[in-house]
Amino acid sequence: GENVEQHPSTLSVQEGDSAVIKCTYSDSASNYFPWYKQELGKRPQLIIDIRSNVGEKKDQRIAVTLNKTAKHFSLHITETQPEDSAVYFCAASIPYSGNTPLVFGKGTRLSVIA
Amino acid sequence: EAQVTQNPRYLITVTGKKLTVTCSQNMNHEYMSWYRQDPGLGLRQIYYSMNVEVTDKGDVPEGYKVSRKEKRNFPLILESPSPNQTSLYFCASSPSRTPYNSPLHFGNGTRLTVT
Repeated sequence: GENVEQHPSTLSVQEGDSAVIKCTYSDSASNYFPWYKQELGKRPQLIIDIRSNVGEKKDQRIAVTLNKTAKHFSLHITETQPEDSAVYFCAASIPYSGNTPLVFGKGTRLSVIA
Repeated sequence: EAQVTQNPRYLITVTGKKLTVTCSQNMNHEYMSWYRQDPGLGLRQIYYSMNVEVTDKGDVPEGYKVSRKEKRNFPLILESPSPNQTSLYFCASSPSRTPYNSPLHFGNGTRLTVT
């Protein structure tokens, strides 16, 4: 089945700096890669996603890049703010796999220091 | 308001006492799923359902049961809870039959403690 590795597990940045979280996946059939943000005590919420026919997607200060050849994708947050502090999860999905359809990475705890 | 509702939010129980965590969504979603979240292990899928009366095991199904008798409800049942099932549980739903191209909508979570 699919396996998703996420790095780093913790990340501290100064306010205003950029943050990058990287994920690798094992199954080349995966074609959907969402990112979820979980604030302390809250539920995970989708912040951005990318499909395998696209190399990059941006939404204001957030961007995701996908390298299908290397089987990795990354979340980029620019001009970080204290409210970006949260746990971020990447995930990979294989359509009609018959197995667990969506596999999550173990998460990255991002701390933005004011 | 479109939402996934889990109950209860907090539950403390003893080993062996059967319990049910309810999950209901009002978005007419096909796909529903249960996850458990443990420190350092991320979100691990317990069971999922792509339609009424169709359920499948996820990565960590041992000790859990589910049912999908109606589209909107997907309860999680622990027949004989054990301390290693102490965790934070999330129910989630998605409009497509598999979440391969649609976002998951999560409930607010249920924190379960088994003593």
